[in-house]
Amino acid sequence: GAVVSQHPSRVICKSGTSVKIECRSLDFQATTMFWYRQFPKQSLMLMATSNEGSKATYEQGVEKDKFLINHASLTLSTLTVTSAHPEDSSFYICSASPSGGARETQYFGPGTRLLVL
Amino acid sequence: AQKVTQAQTEISVVEKEDVTLDCVYETRDTTYYLFWYKQPPSGELVFLIRRNSFDEQNEISGRYSWNFQKSTSSFNFTITASQVVDSAVYFCALSASWAGGTSYGKLTFGQGTILTVHP
Repeated sequence: GAVVSQHPSRVICKSGTSVKIECRSLDFQATTMFWYRQFPKQSLMLMATSNEGSKATYEQGVEKDKFLINHASLTLSTLTVTSAHPEDSSFYICSASPSGGARETQYFGPGTRLLVL
Repeated sequence: AQKVTQAQTEISVVEKEDVTLDCVYETRDTTYYLFWYKQPPSGELVFLIRRNSFDEQNEISGRYSWNFQKSTSSFNFTITASQVVDSAVYFCALSASWAGGTSYGKLTFGQGTILTVHP
């Protein structure tokens, strides 16, 4: 149990285009999901906290107009990278925290590798 | 502010050797959680352990063991009799446990330690 999926697993796009990444909790409901970014050979950095039915909260330095987060249901959060540029190329990982549980319980998705040409 | 430091960037050992990965943390929270994750080349994070700040007992799980020393703010991870399959990047992480705080649930990761186990 407690499976989180991400789609797509890998995406290549041209500079200036927008890319949507989906994070789904497959066998549980998640009121809260987190989005992390990992540049090559670096650590994971939290980008934002996604809350079902309300606006996401972004970490300092993360542009909310560039990284649009929508958490429209208890099993799906989406991250849209708008007008992507090569510097946005990274590994994006989401995690989901089961509804009704404590947030320290999080299940991670397999990640999405984004390459912007 | 929270901070996690993994001073060892890379460690290389030969199979069957024991290896310890260090983790030192900083937090102003009185209650918090500490984690270790394994990240193999595929990139997917594998959860290894979560420890509540109230619980300083050491933990052993098979070849893995963890030593939590609150007095030195350390949460070290030891692999006994290492195997080639243990080769991966290992991350130590910290999160606040108080639901009323703004950092609740947010994980702060260390820089990671690349472990290579040679046959």
